[in-house]
Amino acid sequence: AQSVTQLDSQVPVFEEAPVELRCNYSSSVSVYLFWYVQYPNQGLQLLLKYLSGSTLVKGINGFEAEFNKSQTSFHLRKPSVHISDTAEYFCAVSDGPGRGSTLGRLYFGRGTQLTVWP
Amino acid sequence: EAQVTQNPRYLITVTGKKLTVTCSQNMNHEYMSWYRQDPGLGLRQIYYSMNVEVTDKGDVPEGYKVSRKEKRNFPLILESPSPNQTSLYFCASRRREQGYGYTFGSGTRLTVV
Repeated sequence: AQSVTQLDSQVPVFEEAPVELRCNYSSSVSVYLFWYVQYPNQGLQLLLKYLSGSTLVKGINGFEAEFNKSQTSFHLRKPSVHISDTAEYFCAVSDGPGRGSTLGRLYFGRGTQLTVWP
Repeated sequence: EAQVTQNPRYLITVTGKKLTVTCSQNMNHEYMSWYRQDPGLGLRQIYYSMNVEVTDKGDVPEGYKVSRKEKRNFPLILESPSPNQTSLYFCASRRREQGYGYTFGSGTRLTVV
């Protein structure tokens, strides 16, 4: 089974500052990687995903993430945050091609609460 | 509108009283899954289904049952709820092809007293 570590449970930043939310996963074999966002009292919305190819992935709302296979990391970044980015962010991992026994599994980290202050 | 619909949104029940949380998706997705979300623990997978009549356990299946008799529906059944099942529950679905992210419902907040 995969395990996902989000290194910061809370990240407070001021508006227009850059932010990085860190995520590490356990397996170095083929994986698919996701970031989800959860606004208060809502379900989860997919921000971006990495399947293959370019290690820099762009998502919605100006977020991007970089896949680093050697460090088994998938950190999320935004160059300038807005108050509306205040939400909880979840990193998630699923097994990549060929690992049929776990096709339905998606493993989540514990979440990072991003709070943007004016 | 493509969506995953869960009902009810909020539920308060007593220990031991059987309940069912319904989940329906209109995207013809093969995969469906149930998660529970608890503070500080993130989301943990309870059960998932890869197609009709095909289900498997996730990380925390104890105390839950599921069934997948139709492609669009994936109900979560608590035969004898206990207070430690008080949680926020999410249903999700996705296409069969690997690499597609799950689409999540809006959640069901369950309180067992």
